[in-house]
Amino acid sequence: QKEVEQNSGPLSVPEGAIASLNCTYSDRGSQSFFWYRQYSGKSPELIMFIYSNGDKEDGRFTAQLNKASQYVSLLIRDSQPSDSATYLCAALNSGGSNYKLTFGKGTLLTVNP
Amino acid sequence: DTGVSQDPRHKITKRGQNVTFRCDPISEHNRLYWYRQTLGQGPEFLTYFQNEAQLEKSRLLSDRFSAERPKGSFSTLEIQRTEQGDSAMYLCASSPFTEAFFGQGTRLTVV
Repeated sequence: QKEVEQNSGPLSVPEGAIASLNCTYSDRGSQSFFWYRQYSGKSPELIMFIYSNGDKEDGRFTAQLNKASQYVSLLIRDSQPSDSATYLCAALNSGGSNYKLTFGKGTLLTVNP
Repeated sequence: DTGVSQDPRHKITKRGQNVTFRCDPISEHNRLYWYRQTLGQGPEFLTYFQNEAQLEKSRLLSDRFSAERPKGSFSTLEIQRTEQGDSAMYLCASSPFTEAFFGQGTRLTVV
């Protein structure tokens, strides 16, 4: 079973702090990784993706990938109450003609004012 | 609106009835995914199309589920003889290459 694992949380941080969300994956054939934000009752919204080892920054968000450790993380700087949501990690195995996207269960983040 | 569109947004049906959902992907996105999501869980993969070809279907699905994507445009997901366990949010996503973008989902309630 090829899986994506996330700590379900909840993760609680004060406003202005850095929130750190982590994800591990078991399929070494996974090539691209995605972070989605999902508000309660809404559909997932793509925040950013990463496919190279190292860091990728987009505004207050930084994604980190370590393929050797099969580890992906998302850092949210200067956390705001509006960041309170479930964050989903997803891995894409694009081997051959199959582009299967597998999700973790998500981590619930609460940012306290 | 040029995003992924799903219809209906909500569906309540009696157990044993058949239901069909529709997904209109973003124009020119050749990949289309269907997922199911229940409360507190991540999206669970159901099936995947590249253009009109259904390339993978989850082994978790029973034969009651079927999906089509005629002409590689919109897609339909049908559930036959619905059961209470089918109650969930059904999500469609389309992708031009790697990133996938979700529609607003169809919430199914089986009573």
